[in-house]
Amino acid sequence: QSVLTQPPSVSAAPGQKVTISCSGSSSNIGNNYVSWYQQLPGTAPKLLIYENNKRPSGIPDRFSGSKSGTSATLGITGLQTGDEADYYCGTWDSSLSAGGVFGGGTKLTVL
Amino acid sequence: QVQLQESGPGLVKPSGTLSLTCAVSGGSISSSNWWSWVRQPPGKGLEWIGEIYHSGSTNYNPSLKSRVTISVDKSKNQFSLKLSSVTAADTAVYYCARDHIYYDSSGYFWYFDLWGRGTLVTVSS
Repeated sequence: QSVLTQPPSVSAAPGQKVTISCSGSSSNIGNNYVSWYQQLPGTAPKLLIYENNKRPSGIPDRFSGSKSGTSATLGITGLQTGDEADYYCGTWDSSLSAGGVFGGGTKLTVL
Repeated sequence: QVQLQESGPGLVKPSGTLSLTCAVSGGSISSSNWWSWVRQPPGKGLEWIGEIYHSGSTNYNPSLKSRVTISVDKSKNQFSLKLSSVTAADTAVYYCARDHIYYDSSGYFWYFDLWGRGTLVTVSS
């Protein structure tokens, strides 16, 4: 059971928009920054969003991040078949069991 | 261009110790970054194992802390993972990653901007 909760799967048609949620608590998302990763099949994860809403160089602005309270959201617009992947959120947990935590992952299917 | 490459045995016996090394090329391990290990069991999600700074300071996942040791060898520009008393549940792809962790008035930044390709370690007799 992951500390951060993500929907197991989402789907949308090419060209459409999709959002992926990541729910946590005050000890993690509520008081720390969130990052998002894309994992294409058979490859290592890739950083998409850091510090809640910043994109690394080379990541298109179709990808966006936001945070409100103890939840975060990844948005993807103009969906492409190449976006079909697993997406993970991550953050630091500042509880007594402090450490880095990830969500369980969300499989995006582009229909 | 900094690159990370994991290496180590692909098969470990139950109750044994898993040992992996991550070689850092194209840059110095003594830069202002932390270095982490992350694993992914087959068909499952990511799990952070722990991180190390070039000074030797470490942070570990509390659920694995009793079995994990992460060390750094600055002379070889690499860092290593040892996981003891392994079971089949430790079978996973193990990734090394460059880690950013900072703290400001709004909380901790923590993210990975560079990953190795990963190496599959199977625990089996």
